[in-house]
Amino acid sequence: DAKTTQPNSMESNEEEPVHLPCNHSTISGTDYIHWYRQLPSQGPEYVIHGLTSNVNNRMASLAIAEDRKSSTLILHRATLRDAAVYYCILRKYNAGNMLTFGGGTRLMVKP
Amino acid sequence: ETGVTQTPRHLVMGMTNKKSLKCEQHLGHNAMYWYKQSAKKPLELMFVYSLEERVENNSVPSRFSPECPNSSHLFLHLHTLQPEDSALYLCASSQEETGLREQFFGPGTRLTVL
Repeated sequence: DAKTTQPNSMESNEEEPVHLPCNHSTISGTDYIHWYRQLPSQGPEYVIHGLTSNVNNRMASLAIAEDRKSSTLILHRATLRDAAVYYCILRKYNAGNMLTFGGGTRLMVKP
Repeated sequence: ETGVTQTPRHLVMGMTNKKSLKCEQHLGHNAMYWYKQSAKKPLELMFVYSLEERVENNSVPSRFSPECPNSSHLFLHLHTLQPEDSALYLCASSQEETGLREQFFGPGTRLTVL
C-alpha cells in the first residue's frame, strides 16, 4: 500500500473547526482514502472514506485535492470528545484485508 | 458499543503461563482480525480470518496461536510469552462482500507479561 504522512500532533480549541492534513504523494488510481480515529482506551473506529470527490457524513468531511496527492479531514466543530489519534490510510478497492496504520495525528482539544 | 466484544479487558501473566484472549462479534460479519498495538508503535496486523479460514499471518511468533471456530468468535492463545509482548491486543471484524470492508474494532485486551 502507498504510504501516508501526517503531522504527529495538532491542537484545537473546542467548538472551532479542525483541519487534519494527510499527504499521499504516491497514491495510485485504485487507492481509496480512509480515515479512522482511536479515542483514548478504545479501539479504532471508522470515520470516513473517499476516492476523488469530497465527502460528508455525520462525523466529518473529507476534502481531496484535485491531484489526489493530499487530503484533509475536517471536523466542523471540535468537541472534547473528538480528542483522539486520527489515522489516514490508503486501501485498494476489493484487494485485500489489510489496514496498514501509520503513526496518525494526535488531536488535542482545549476547552 | 461497536458490536465487537473482547474478554478479558486486562490480563497479567507470567512468561510460563498459558492464557487465551476471546473476541466475539455480533454484526454478522464473515472476517475477523487480530491486531497488536505496542507503546509508541503503530497498530500491527497479526492474523486475518475470512470465512473462518486464516488468510493472513504476518510473521507472528508461534507463541501466538489464533483460532476461529466460527464466524462470530475468534481466540488468541498465548503461551511462553516475553515481556516485549506486553501490548494492547485488538480484535476487529468486517463484511467481506462489500468493497468498503470497513472494520469494526473491539475495545482491546491490555496484556502485561511479567
